[in-house]
Amino acid sequence: GAVVSQHPSRVICKSGTSVKIECRSLDFQATTMFWYRQFPKQSLMLMATSNEGSKATYEQGVEKDKFLINHASLTLSTLTVTSAHPEDSSFYICSAFGGDFYGYTFGSGTRLTVV
Amino acid sequence: GQQLNQSPQSMFIQEGEDVSMNCTSSSIFNTWLWYKQDPGEGPVLLIALYKAGELTSNGRLTAQFGITRKDSFLNISASIPSDVGIYFCAGRSNYGQNFVFGPGTRLSVLP
Repeated sequence: GAVVSQHPSRVICKSGTSVKIECRSLDFQATTMFWYRQFPKQSLMLMATSNEGSKATYEQGVEKDKFLINHASLTLSTLTVTSAHPEDSSFYICSAFGGDFYGYTFGSGTRLTVV
Repeated sequence: GQQLNQSPQSMFIQEGEDVSMNCTSSSIFNTWLWYKQDPGEGPVLLIALYKAGELTSNGRLTAQFGITRKDSFLNISASIPSDVGIYFCAGRSNYGQNFVFGPGTRLSVLP
């Protein structure tokens, strides 16, 4: 089946620093990957759609300079939270579309805590 | 834009009971997906539905693609403690479009 690997699973960083989260499709190619943010006890909030070889498409209200997305290959997308602040603390999840049979395959998520 | 509603928002049931939840859309969909998210994990695909009226099972889970194409249902029979989690539906109107996700149904199973 389609597998998506997301790293790191947990990260604690100091306020003002940047954090990079990686999302890899292990056994399929993904021209499109998606980045979500999830607050406690809430649903998935789509942040941006990551397109291989081109700029990401950000949802309304998501700062593109704050959340840098790079999709350099068909199997890797990265999300960098720049100049992180405590309010950026959240659960970030990536997903990749594995075709009509697999639908969306999600990574296991990254719990970011900014102190 | 397209929106999905899920009902109920949350539910508490006794172990062994059956569970029913649904997902409704304001527009017609051609694909429905059901996911489960365990605490601290990413969602995992449970069932995919591609045709109106389709009924598909995955173990104790059964999902149906509503005849009107504006809704879908998920049933869990004989619930067990590991059924605890958030169940999300997702749907799309046309091939090639992004899926939209519902707000989720949070299931708690009491021993």
